[in-house]
Amino acid sequence: RKEVEQDPGPFNVPEGATVAFNCTYSNSASQSFFWYRQDCRKEPKLLMSVYSSGNEDGRFTAQLNRASQYISLLIRDSKLSDSATYLCVVKTGNQFYFGTGTSLTVIP
Amino acid sequence: DAGVIQSPRHEVTEMGQEVTLRCKPISGHDYLFWYRQTMMRGLELLIYFNNNVPIDDSGMPEDRFSAKMPNASFSTLKIQPSEPRDSAVYFCASSLVTPQNEQYFGPGTRLTVT
Repeated sequence: RKEVEQDPGPFNVPEGATVAFNCTYSNSASQSFFWYRQDCRKEPKLLMSVYSSGNEDGRFTAQLNRASQYISLLIRDSKLSDSATYLCVVKTGNQFYFGTGTSLTVIP
Repeated sequence: DAGVIQSPRHEVTEMGQEVTLRCKPISGHDYLFWYRQTMMRGLELLIYFNNNVPIDDSGMPEDRFSAKMPNASFSTLKIQPSEPRDSAVYFCASSLVTPQNEQYFGPGTRLTVT
C-alpha cells in the first residue's frame, strides 16, 4: 500500500466553482502534512501547511482528519491561475512522502 | 535571495556514462533534499542532509547513486553508471529548521539517458 494516495483527476471546473481534493495516508504516526502546487514543467511550491484544527488562506482551506487518515484541500471561487497539479505531502518520521498529484484545470 | 540553484538544467547522456547533478541551497538553510520525479512514480525522496550530514538515504535506488554535501552551500548527486530508467527530473530542495519543515525547491535538472 502506498504511503500517500491521491485521485489523479483531472478535475476540470469552470471559473468561480468550488473544488475539493482529498488525500489519504497509510501511517497513523505521520506527524506533518502539506499541500504543494506544481505548474507544468516547474518545481513544486508550498501552498499551505495543514494544521490539526484546519486552516484557511484566502480562497484555500486545508483540513486534517486523523481518525480517517486523510487531508483535504478546498478551493473556492476558482481562478484560471489555479490550474496546476496539487500534491499532498506527508511527513512520517524522517521521511517525506509525496502524492502523485491531482490535476486541476479551471475553464473560462 | 536567488533561491535554490541547480545545474545543469538539462542533461542528455548515453547509458553507462557518469552524471553529476549540482545544487546550491538557500543560504542559511539547514536541510537539503534530493528528489526524483517521473510520470509513473511521482516525486520520490532520494536522500536528505541536515547540517551537511546525510540523515536518511533509504530512498536512494541502488549503489549507482551517491550524494555528497561537502559544505553548507553545495551538494552533488552522482549516478554512475547511468541507465535509461534513470531518466527523470531531479529536484533539490532546502529548508530551515522549523516544526513544519517547509521546503523550497530548485528548478530541477531534466535528465535523459539514451
